[in-house]
Amino acid sequence: EVQLVQSGAEVKKPGESLRISCKGSGYNFNSYWINWVRQMPGKGLEWMGRIDPSDSDIKYSPSFQGHVTISADESISTAYLQWSSLKASDTAMYYCARFSVRGVIIPFDNWGQGTLVTVSS
Amino acid sequence: EIVLTQSPGTLSLSPGERATLSCRASQSVSSSYLAWYQQKPGQAPRLLIYGASSRATGIPDRFSGSGSGTDFTLTISRLEPGDFAVYYCQQYGSSPWTFGQGTKVEIK
Repeated sequence: EVQLVQSGAEVKKPGESLRISCKGSGYNFNSYWINWVRQMPGKGLEWMGRIDPSDSDIKYSPSFQGHVTISADESISTAYLQWSSLKASDTAMYYCARFSVRGVIIPFDNWGQGTLVTVSS
Repeated sequence: EIVLTQSPGTLSLSPGERATLSCRASQSVSSSYLAWYQQKPGQAPRLLIYGASSRATGIPDRFSGSGSGTDFTLTISRLEPGDFAVYYCQQYGSSPWTFGQGTKVEIK
C-alpha cells in the first residue's frame, strides 16, 4: 500500500526554525516527485514546490521561493520542508503529495495526512 | 501564472441530483493538464480526475471531467451523501502549478 506519512503537529514561536518530514513507503520513492502544498486556516490549496528525489532537482513557486527550503533523502525515502525563521503567517496545514512523471503523468495521486504548523508568540 | 476561477462558490443540491462545477483558466492549459480534487473537512484532498477527463484509481464513474483550453467541467451525475465536500481544480501544465479557490457542494 502506497503511503506518505508526515511528521506530527508543531507549535513554534516567531523567528524559530522548523523542519517537517514526509516519508514514502509502498512504492519506488525515486520514481515520483514529492510536492508540498499549503492550506491556511479556512482557505484553499497553494502549491509551494516540488522535488525529484532521484536527482534533487527542485522547483519552487515564486510565492514561496526564498521563504522555505525543500529537500529529500532518498536513502530513507523522506522529503522535507523547512523554515529558517518562522512567521505567524506560516500558520497552516502543510501536505505532501506525490506526482508521477515516469510513464503516465498523474498529479498528486497520494497525499500525506498533513502537518499542522502553528506559529504564535 | 495561470489563474483558475471556479464557479459557483457554493452549490446547494440534494442527494440524487446532478452537480456541474466549472473551472475557467486565465490562459490555455497545456496538454489539458487539469485535475480535480475532493476535500472533506479534516481530511487531505483526494484526486478525482486528471488529464481533464481521466478518472483516478478507485473513483466511481458518477464523477466525470471534460473540457479543454480554458474551460473545464466536473460533473457528478447523481450526488451521494459522501460527495458533499469542497472541490478544487488544479492546472499542472505550466509552472507555477495553481489551484482554483474551490467550490463547496452542500446539502440543500
